[in-house]
Amino acid sequence: QKEVEQNSGPLSVPEGAIASLNCTYSDRVSQSFFWYRQYSGKSPELIMSIYSNGDKEDGRFTAQLNKASQYVSLLIRDSQPSDSATYLCAVNAAGNKLTFGGGTRVLVKP
Amino acid sequence: ETGVTQTPRHLVMGMTNKKSLKCEQHLGHNAMYWYKQSAKKPLELMFVYSLEERVENNSVPSRFSPECPNSSHLFLHLHTLQPEDSALYLCASSQDRTSGPTTGELFFGEGSRLTVL
Repeated sequence: QKEVEQNSGPLSVPEGAIASLNCTYSDRVSQSFFWYRQYSGKSPELIMSIYSNGDKEDGRFTAQLNKASQYVSLLIRDSQPSDSATYLCAVNAAGNKLTFGGGTRVLVKP
Repeated sequence: ETGVTQTPRHLVMGMTNKKSLKCEQHLGHNAMYWYKQSAKKPLELMFVYSLEERVENNSVPSRFSPECPNSSHLFLHLHTLQPEDSALYLCASSQDRTSGPTTGELFFGEGSRLTVL
């Protein structure tokens, strides 16, 4: 069983719509959860972090965490072509080790 | 200077060659990492250095040898690699907290694309 699982996509979204990305993780003691964005040919960059159950909003991005279901999601509102990228879910159980999922490729079509 | 700089950006080597990847961070961070990114596979953590001490070695073959001479520099020495080692090697840095969960904010370099023939 993969430790952090994501649908590889591509997730095709019309411009202006909401993109919904999902991530499940296997380690119940995980404490910290992160979303990174990686443009093609570029390195990953952190866009959201969430530590407690519920929603966290930052601009057009909303992260949602449900520890009981071991599930974390990312919503991108008013999707723009510039949001086209691969989104990596990362989970930290303890210490300074992050475990990454395989990423979901998002394509926003004008 | 950008935050995390990696050289070379592209490297082609034969299986008998010895080469090194270099990473330099200008962010004043106290932890540095090597990750491997292969096509259709998740980012794989290879090594972690915190305060210049190796704190993680993720069952990486000995043909990969890391070196961290100071908190700003990290090297990955490569020797007798295999074609399956061809991948993007990413260096990252972070500022570790002394207590509590990590911020999880890794700052990545642009990566070194390695091809082993």
